[in-house]
Amino acid sequence: EVQLVQSGAEVKKPGESLKISCKGSGYSFTNYWIGWVRQMPGKGLEWMGIIYPGDSDTKYSPSFQGQVTISADRSISTAYLQWSTLKASDTAMYYCARPPRGNYWYFDLWGRGTLVTVSS
Amino acid sequence: EIVLTQSPGTLSLSPGERATLSCRASQSVSSTYLAWYQQEPGQAPRLLIYGASSRATGIPDRFSGSGSGTDFSLTISRLEPEDFAVYYCHHYGSSPGTFGQGTKVEIK
Repeated sequence: EVQLVQSGAEVKKPGESLKISCKGSGYSFTNYWIGWVRQMPGKGLEWMGIIYPGDSDTKYSPSFQGQVTISADRSISTAYLQWSTLKASDTAMYYCARPPRGNYWYFDLWGRGTLVTVSS
Repeated sequence: EIVLTQSPGTLSLSPGERATLSCRASQSVSSTYLAWYQQEPGQAPRLLIYGASSRATGIPDRFSGSGSGTDFSLTISRLEPEDFAVYYCHHYGSSPGTFGQGTKVEIK
């Protein structure tokens, strides 16, 4: 089965670091881009960035550039989203999502999301 | 960066009625790069339409997309109970991609 499996919910304090994951299975991980989408509580979807695991080419939304790091480990078919210093405003659901093969970046496969709660 | 504005914010309709949702882009975009998603409460989004008018795999034909330039729409011909959800448009023609703010379709 083709799927994206995301890591479990996290509760962190402001100032802490965090790395969440998204494991692809059932397809050739290196041949498809993987994107990250934020959804703050009760709000809409925000495009954060996207990575091509084949060569680690990564693109960020200006809103998230410098705030998060997107990476991938081809050997274990896993993409990551990480923060070095969390803020309360990072509290949100984070989805990874995969476009079809090629350069049309609509998302036809989604993970179930990772809920990140940042609170003192 | 292209800004997508969806209207209305909330659409109150009854099952069986027709729903028309609008998505307006801040500048002209190719219809090749416009998608629509449905999101039910507590669920990840689901792709409905890509390329402005192509239905994704498994999407019922009561869902249709149209438009060009700066104006796009999603139509649900006859609302089923499971269609009451939030809908987002998405431009993916360049980096960064952008989403509209969403339209909630609620039961009247």
